[in-house]
Amino acid sequence: NAGVTQTPKFRVLKTGQSMTLLCAQDMNHEYMYWYRQDPGMGLRLIHYSVGEGTTAKGEVPDGYNVSRLKKQNFLLGLESAAPSQTSVYFCASSLDKAEAFFGQGTRLTVV
Amino acid sequence: AQSVAQPEDQVNVAEGNPLTVKCTYSVSGNPYLFWYVQYPNRGLQFLLKYITGDNLVKGSYGFEAEFNKSQTSFHLKKPSALVSDSALYFCAVRPLDTGGFKTIFGAGTRLFVKA
Repeated sequence: NAGVTQTPKFRVLKTGQSMTLLCAQDMNHEYMYWYRQDPGMGLRLIHYSVGEGTTAKGEVPDGYNVSRLKKQNFLLGLESAAPSQTSVYFCASSLDKAEAFFGQGTRLTVV
Repeated sequence: AQSVAQPEDQVNVAEGNPLTVKCTYSVSGNPYLFWYVQYPNRGLQFLLKYITGDNLVKGSYGFEAEFNKSQTSFHLKKPSALVSDSALYFCAVRPLDTGGFKTIFGAGTRLFVKA
């Protein structure tokens, strides 16, 4: 069972570069989320989606954009990377308001 | 502001001893409550949840959690710790007043179980 798959697992970007993080889930979940994890701060919600074609801002959306063109995929984009976006990014999905299933994370370093 | 507090950055216990990882929250209404565990270089894994009913909920790997409404707490417990329980534990709260789509995570508590 694949569950939630994130690509890539690691990435180093230069300041100002752009990239897209991919998230795919095979559980037919309606809800999908993007979080960032920073030391001592837990997980903070960047953006989320409650269904195909819908997106909404979370707690820390600035500098990020998302798209949910297909139910199983949720993309996170960084248009112009900044060192403050160095973090570990997690995608998650859930069925309604139940527990979330997480991907293994993407470690992003912006230099 | 809605928040989740895990007052201990780190908890140390000896193998075989009981463990408790504390969590309190400040959220209006009757939120859903969760515990997740994170092993090194992995995503979070669901342990258990409280939605309604019995205040003591049982979850994976022998863990349980006690919900206390008056103290707005949801402490994670295990009667006998294992070295393999060493990991980072997150308490999470899902308020229902905003549609239930957002989950607030605590900062995490690192558990060390010594052999």
